Amino acid sequence: TQLLEQSPQFLSIQEGENLTVYCNSSSVFSSLQWYRQEPGEGPVLLVTVVTGGEVKKLKRLTFQFGDARKDSSLHITAAQPGDTGLYLCAQRGQMEYGNKLVFGAGTILRVKS
Amino acid sequence: NAGVTQTPKFRILKIGQSMTLQCTQDMNHNYMYWYRQDPGMGLKLIYYSVGAGITDKGEVPNGYNVSRSTTEDFPLRLELAAPSQTSVYFCASTRGTLPRNTEAFFGQGTRLTVV
Repeated sequence: TQLLEQSPQFLSIQEGENLTVYCNSSSVFSSLQWYRQEPGEGPVLLVTVVTGGEVKKLKRLTFQFGDARKDSSLHITAAQPGDTGLYLCAQRGQMEYGNKLVFGAGTILRVKS
Repeated sequence: NAGVTQTPKFRILKIGQSMTLQCTQDMNHNYMYWYRQDPGMGLKLIYYSVGAGITDKGEVPNGYNVSRSTTEDFPLRLELAAPSQTSVYFCASTRGTLPRNTEAFFGQGTRLTVV
């Protein structure tokens, strides 16, 4: 059973467009992370969000943590070809899952120039 | 800084063969993880360890074994390779479980094909 649901699964857009991808769970997150993975590489951490309602910005990327800490979104403004990759959300800290670090299935983003 | 190092990078196995995927980290991290990633998909947790001598199953442990005799090393063993184990395998480590300590550092991956 996938604990984290990510949507959409695949997104293909033109350079300069805006986009939002989502990560949802039926359970409360203690914290949530977003990673980006490029082909042939391991994932790299973009951000960790901890507090409900928290918003973090990383250049053109805006991350939001839902008030109830069950969902998160990643918004990219004016997407560029360099944003192409697989975006993964990850969570840990739910008591029944102990120390596991679990990932969603990811959103594949392709930005065309 | 080496970070997390995985070997080999590529391997082709015949059905029924065995192999060990090596993973070592030089950051003195307590937590280590093995994931598999099928094409275009996310990461599925195979096994993890919270410290030397302690391991536990993840989401998809069948067909794999691990050991953690030292803080640095966390090898993954495939005993009887099957085509369903064709995948890219990633090893990762984190310092701890508090949010400020949970950044996962990944190796470059091992691409395994079972034929």
